[in-house]
Amino acid sequence: GAGVSQSPRYKVAKRGQDVALRCDPISGHVSLFWYQQALGQGPEFLTYFQNEAQLDKSGLPSDRFFAERPEGSVSTLKIQRTQQEDSAVYLCASSQRAVREKTGETQYFGPGTRLLVL
Amino acid sequence: EDQVTQSPEALRLQEGESSSLNCSYTVSGLRGLFWYRQDPGKGPEFLFTLYSAGEEKEKERLKATLTKKESFLHITAPKPEDSATYLCAVQVDTGNQFYFGTGTSLTVIP
Repeated sequence: GAGVSQSPRYKVAKRGQDVALRCDPISGHVSLFWYQQALGQGPEFLTYFQNEAQLDKSGLPSDRFFAERPEGSVSTLKIQRTQQEDSAVYLCASSQRAVREKTGETQYFGPGTRLLVL
Repeated sequence: EDQVTQSPEALRLQEGESSSLNCSYTVSGLRGLFWYRQDPGKGPEFLFTLYSAGEEKEKERLKATLTKKESFLHITAPKPEDSATYLCAVQVDTGNQFYFGTGTSLTVIP
């Protein structure tokens, strides 16, 4: 596709509800990243995929957060039993090559999903 | 600990008033430094990548420079449409992470 797309753009969830956020990366991009961005802050790393392999999930804040990319393209970030502190913008980014293949590979971001947990 | 700090947090400029944004970093080994622009309600938009000290890149009214400890984003004769939050991020030699600063919110007044 022309760019990274994310859906839904906005999600309101009641505390305790499960949510699923979708990311469609740029076609053919090997790397996919998820970030969490709180209001007035920079994006914070959550997890990284190289194709279908989740190589780094060190940024996931708790075991309620789960991400997958089963066919190496579309990715889903799932949050179980949502809490108010999960309210944030969730950004997805993709890059053409694997992180370790090339110096400073540029990431291209989607518009984000704004999650509000009531 | 790898760290990225941006200053100032907010900057108000008159149209045409040039200035610079700072991004200082403390990392174990730098693979690349990135500048992004973020408009309200949107994802970050890529501007520049810098790889080594001494490198400079330009795009319209923006110029990015890099030293061993910091990067500057120079804005020459800014226009109101340059108003946005400017984010700096670094990719380190080890690991897969990109570390972002908290951004500089730039407002250009007509």
